[in-house]
Amino acid sequence: DTEVTQTPKHLVMGMTNKKSLKCEQHMGHRAMYWYKQKAKKPPELMFVYSYEKLSINESVPSRFSPECPNSSLLNLHLHALQPEDSALYLCASSQDVRGGAGELFFGEGSRLTVL
Amino acid sequence: KNQVEQSPQSLIILEGKNCTLQCNYTVSPFSNLRWYKQDTGRGPVSLTIMTFSENTKSNGRYTATLDADTKQSSLHITASQLSDSASYICVVRVNTNAGKSTFGDGTTLTVKP
Repeated sequence: DTEVTQTPKHLVMGMTNKKSLKCEQHMGHRAMYWYKQKAKKPPELMFVYSYEKLSINESVPSRFSPECPNSSLLNLHLHALQPEDSALYLCASSQDVRGGAGELFFGEGSRLTVL
Repeated sequence: KNQVEQSPQSLIILEGKNCTLQCNYTVSPFSNLRWYKQDTGRGPVSLTIMTFSENTKSNGRYTATLDADTKQSSLHITASQLSDSASYICVVRVNTNAGKSTFGDGTTLTVKP
């Protein structure tokens, strides 16, 4: 079982809805990540938080808004999404952002469908 | 440009057979290389992580190799099982403070009875 927990597992929303994806880890990791994965493609980095501060935003549209309330929690707020935003959204964590900080631990993902 | 290329793109083998997946990278400066297994619709799960000084690492029926000189890695699966059917992704991490990793496109393995 993964030590990174994501909720909900599945989410269907309309283009005018506001929803949030949640991620939690209790491994004491100080880096947390959001990835977007389309079918048969590798995960694409969206955001990186390091010590609860946003360190990387990969030019993600503002309809995706990340939040890191504390070192264990990471949220992704969704508003006015488009159907092409439908994908598997993966949360991950690592000890910190340094290259030698070991591996990424992934959650099971949240499958998002935008109608 | 940092790149990770995997081959083959897909592979079909019979249960009980062995197979080898390849990963070539141009990522620099290199920190570590990880192989992940991803079942359809689920998050990737780490199989092995290899640093610059490591040549071979095993995890059960999975054995990964790394040649840092030629920038190549392989993942060998022995005595394949139906549950090995998945996508195998090679991920290379740069040795910076940026927190970025470069993902290969993955190899889709199908094990048939």
